[in-house]
Amino acid sequence: DIQMTQSPSTLSASVGDTVTITCRASQTVSNFLAWYQQKPGKAPRVLIYRSSFLDTGVPSRFSGRGSGTEFTLTISSLQPEDFATYYCQQYNGYYFTFGGGTKVEMK
Amino acid sequence: QITLKESGPTLVRPTETLTLTCTFSGFSLTTNGVGVAWIRQPPRKAPELLALIYWNDDKRFSPSLKTRLTITKDTSKNEVVLTMTNMDPVDTATYFCARRDKVSALTTGAFDSWGQGALITVSS
Repeated sequence: DIQMTQSPSTLSASVGDTVTITCRASQTVSNFLAWYQQKPGKAPRVLIYRSSFLDTGVPSRFSGRGSGTEFTLTISSLQPEDFATYYCQQYNGYYFTFGGGTKVEMK
Repeated sequence: QITLKESGPTLVRPTETLTLTCTFSGFSLTTNGVGVAWIRQPPRKAPELLALIYWNDDKRFSPSLKTRLTITKDTSKNEVVLTMTNMDPVDTATYFCARRDKVSALTTGAFDSWGQGALITVSS
């Protein structure tokens, strides 16, 4: 399996901050990397696919970068509705794996 | 509008077999490149892909769970069924079904639509 490692596991921030989450793959996944946002009691929602493409309706304050084994998700000017848990997920090859998650909490 | 919904028991006894049905609408599982996945998420943990079935009946399974899993589709009913044998309390989780979009210049390739999830508790 390709292992996905996210950091940090928890991030404390305030409204208006810019935050960056990192995701590393144990082997190359090219740019087949998605980012999801999950709020308590809800299903994950895809924000970004193919490393840097925003899904329909996702605010432009979300951005993704990277290829190969290292990826980042940046949220510029954090809004109250952005406090949630974020997961990366690779979809290269036979089997797809998720990162362990990053909880963005209010400072 | 794409919708998916999971149905099945809420409580399963240890050693029993779990059968879950995903009923979907708004897309067809005969469309080239499309798949439907079962993904579970234990409380306070990350999601884990269990199984994925594609439009052409290609199937993918979790390497660690593949001996316990079966996935089938009924395109006439727009349903995907997952069975998981020999259930254990560690299998307690919310089980989601999700659509896997095809990979193309215009589509995501990601799990772009999800059901609400079904909490399955394994306990005697």
